[in-house]
Amino acid sequence: ELKVEQNPLFLSMQEGKNYTIYCNYSTTSDRLYWYRQDPGKSLESLFVLLSNGAVKQEGRLMASLDTKARLSTLHITAAVHDLSATYFCAVTYGGATNKLIFGTGTLLAVQP
Amino acid sequence: EPEVTQTPSHQVTQMGQEVILRCVPISNHLYFYWYRQILGQKVEFLVSFYNNEISEKSEIFDDQFSVERPDGSNFTLKIRSTKLEDSAMYFCASRAGTSSYNEQFFGPGTRLTVL
Repeated sequence: ELKVEQNPLFLSMQEGKNYTIYCNYSTTSDRLYWYRQDPGKSLESLFVLLSNGAVKQEGRLMASLDTKARLSTLHITAAVHDLSATYFCAVTYGGATNKLIFGTGTLLAVQP
Repeated sequence: EPEVTQTPSHQVTQMGQEVILRCVPISNHLYFYWYRQILGQKVEFLVSFYNNEISEKSEIFDDQFSVERPDGSNFTLKIRSTKLEDSAMYFCASRAGTSSYNEQFFGPGTRLTVL
């Protein structure tokens, strides 16, 4: 069964600093997603990564995918307080149903 | 922009009661999903639905759960006899389905509290 693991589970960082969240998954998958979730809210899609070597950037966030290593990274550049949230990676699994298997989540707290 | 909607936003019920959570997927989407998230934990797949039948379900989705698409627009999740451990956020999602690369779009969620 597909397992998705993220680390770290909790990340406290200062504004202006850089950091990376890692997402490992155990078996081959079509796609990898990164979502942001604010407390009590729904899942906001940030990135969809489709192929090996894919890199996408939006503002201070950049996501990459290495399908051979089954690893995705979410890099945060010069963090600001507004980025404080929980970040989940998720991979599709299961042929036609394409259900999403989510990682454990990383709670990011950016301190001023 | 089309979006997935869910009602109610918060449901409080007594243990043993039946609840129905409602979702309106994006029009012309073909695949529908329910996920749940227990407070502070990750999001877990419950069930997928296509062509008016369940296409896949997780081991969480036991006999107390059922899904239905009663008309052309609504997609419901019924929990027959709620337990304390059913307290969670329930998310509905839909996907166009014309390609395996179609993205799932999530609704805002229903917070279910079982007392």
